[in-house]
Amino acid sequence: GAGVSQSPSNKVTEKGKDVELRCDPISGHTALYWYRQSLGQGLEFLIYFQGNSAPDKSGLPSDRFSAERTGGSVSTLTIQRTQQEDSAVYLCASSLSTGKPQHFGDGTRLSIL
Amino acid sequence: DAKTTQPPSMDCAEGRAANLPCNHSTISGNEYVYWYRQIHSQGPQYIIHGLKNNETNEMASLIITEDRKSSTLILPHATLRDTAVYYCIVRVAVWETSGSRLTFGEGTQLTVNP
Repeated sequence: GAGVSQSPSNKVTEKGKDVELRCDPISGHTALYWYRQSLGQGLEFLIYFQGNSAPDKSGLPSDRFSAERTGGSVSTLTIQRTQQEDSAVYLCASSLSTGKPQHFGDGTRLSIL
Repeated sequence: DAKTTQPPSMDCAEGRAANLPCNHSTISGNEYVYWYRQIHSQGPQYIIHGLKNNETNEMASLIITEDRKSSTLILPHATLRDTAVYYCIVRVAVWETSGSRLTFGEGTQLTVNP
């Protein structure tokens, strides 16, 4: 079946603009995660959704970052007033449930000019 | 989650077994060992995980020492497509919110040579 799908695959925008990144998880997966990976760095956890529970937002680096998951499926990560340090690959993962192996998409490469 | 230690890089000849070690000497009894890999420009790919017993699937085998302080990922017949960064991750098995995330270290860059 289809894996985790992310769009766009690449995004270039000017500093100060808002961006929206989309994640389509694997069908039936109740848990969804966002991470980001800066050049040459490891993965940094951002936010986690599990079913209808309140999301774990503890990894969001600032209040410019927000995410939602509508209908328990598709998720959107929004970055407002982008800064150059927001440049990174933003990765989405889903799992059948909490604790099950996470399966990743190929990410959105975000470049802030 | 417990910290893991991996060699920064390893080389392997195509067709030979690749044995990737990982130390996790502070692992707790309720923590699993997970392995992921990341091929250039792709997202991380789940490989295998285990708690105490050795595990095998279509991709690899995972050997965990009896004291659980170290493990080895084995790719039995490495191919050029196995060239990637391999991450060993220890993850708590208690399904609290904080136990849901994965914490990736530096990993091992495995290069499979023709």
